[in-house]
Amino acid sequence: GNSVTQMEGPVTLSEEAFLTINCTYTATGYPSLFWYVQYPGEGLQLLLKATKADDKGSNKGFEATYRKETTSFHLEKGSVQVSDSAVYFCALIFYTGTASKLTFGTGTRLQVTL
Amino acid sequence: GAGVSQSPRYKVAKRGQDVALRCDPISGHVSLFWYQQALGQGPEFLTYFQNEAQLDKSGLPSDRFFAERPEGSVSTLKIQRTQQEDSAVYLCASSSRLVFANYGYTFGSGTRLTVV
Repeated sequence: GNSVTQMEGPVTLSEEAFLTINCTYTATGYPSLFWYVQYPGEGLQLLLKATKADDKGSNKGFEATYRKETTSFHLEKGSVQVSDSAVYFCALIFYTGTASKLTFGTGTRLQVTL
Repeated sequence: GAGVSQSPRYKVAKRGQDVALRCDPISGHVSLFWYQQALGQGPEFLTYFQNEAQLDKSGLPSDRFFAERPEGSVSTLKIQRTQQEDSAVYLCASSSRLVFANYGYTFGSGTRLTVV
């Protein structure tokens, strides 16, 4: 079946540090890949996406590249801020014939300190 | 509306009580999804509507869970005879696309259900 594996958190970084959150997936076919972010007390927000191999998604300084050869979609940011503290979810979407379903990883909590 | 609206934000239910959770999707969005997010976990698919038709309910954990969307807009997720293991955040999401939702969905803020 389809699944997503993320590195466990929490990840604690100082402000302006480099961030990497690893994500690998298992899927039949070629799913689209997403990173969602969940700030405290809020719903899931789409952070970035990539729909085919070698695509790079980017938003708000975050980047992730769809690597088919390693089935990975690692999230990176060059310089994190305290406001980036949140839970980050890697996800894939695939069409079952009746619906396009999102499958999520377990999430990685990021804590950024001054 | 501008976003997906869910109500109530918080619900505390006594074990055995029935609950109803409401979702107002973005106006005009034909696709609507319900997800369940247990504490410390990622969201898991429950069910999918295309307009008023429930096309996939494979994720509903038991026959105590029931969802409807009678007019193709507002949806209600009902849980009968709640159990402690039903405690979770229930997320609703909508999309303007029927299939191949490569752009993902827009999620609501969720309803946090606590069964005591």
